[in-house]
Amino acid sequence: DGGITQSPKYLFRKEGQNVTLSCEQNLNHDAMYWYRQDPGQGLRLIYYSQIVNDFQKGDIAEGYSVSREKKESFPLTVTSAQKNPTAFYLCASSPIGGNEQFFGPGTRLTVL
Amino acid sequence: GQQLNQSPQSMFIQEGEDVSMNCTSSSIFNTWLWYKQDPGEGPVLLIALYKAGELTSNGRLTAQFGITRKDSFLNISASIPSDVGIYFCAGQILNNAGNMLTFGGGTRLMVKP
Repeated sequence: DGGITQSPKYLFRKEGQNVTLSCEQNLNHDAMYWYRQDPGQGLRLIYYSQIVNDFQKGDIAEGYSVSREKKESFPLTVTSAQKNPTAFYLCASSPIGGNEQFFGPGTRLTVL
Repeated sequence: GQQLNQSPQSMFIQEGEDVSMNCTSSSIFNTWLWYKQDPGEGPVLLIALYKAGELTSNGRLTAQFGITRKDSFLNISASIPSDVGIYFCAGQILNNAGNMLTFGGGTRLMVKP
């Protein structure tokens, strides 16, 4: 089935450790996005990529890094520089020129 | 960035009642999207609107793209317990190079059986 997968569903890390969240899509979409969601809040854009080997910072990129080596994959690294990393992270994709974004199931990251 | 004001923030209703929520902005949007998010899951697209004045239905859900292009509303008729969740509006501005969306803060819907 076509879709977006994120793994793992739950992730625990110690403070000061970098952690990488996986996002894979088989929808043949060109654009991919990472959002952060805090309890009771809307979605805030971290990074986005419209094409392989290119990505742009969103509204809250500090403390995060991404790569886009393959069309299907857009991993997000939460670095130790991120002051408050505990949150729900959502990945989305859309076809180029398309207005709609489709979301994965999310990864809940808890930093202890 | 752009701001979307979504209201109400939460609603607690009786099963069978109709629900209405809306989003407003000071910016003009060329697309409005409505998503539903179940607890611990990613948002699922419910309705997409592309044209000012457009009225679109999806089952018991109806959404409209405001004439001014600065607002949108979502109605749910005859609510049922599985309507529980958080509903988000999202707008996309004209000439948005990254196809980026601006999201409202969400409306948390609770339905009492």
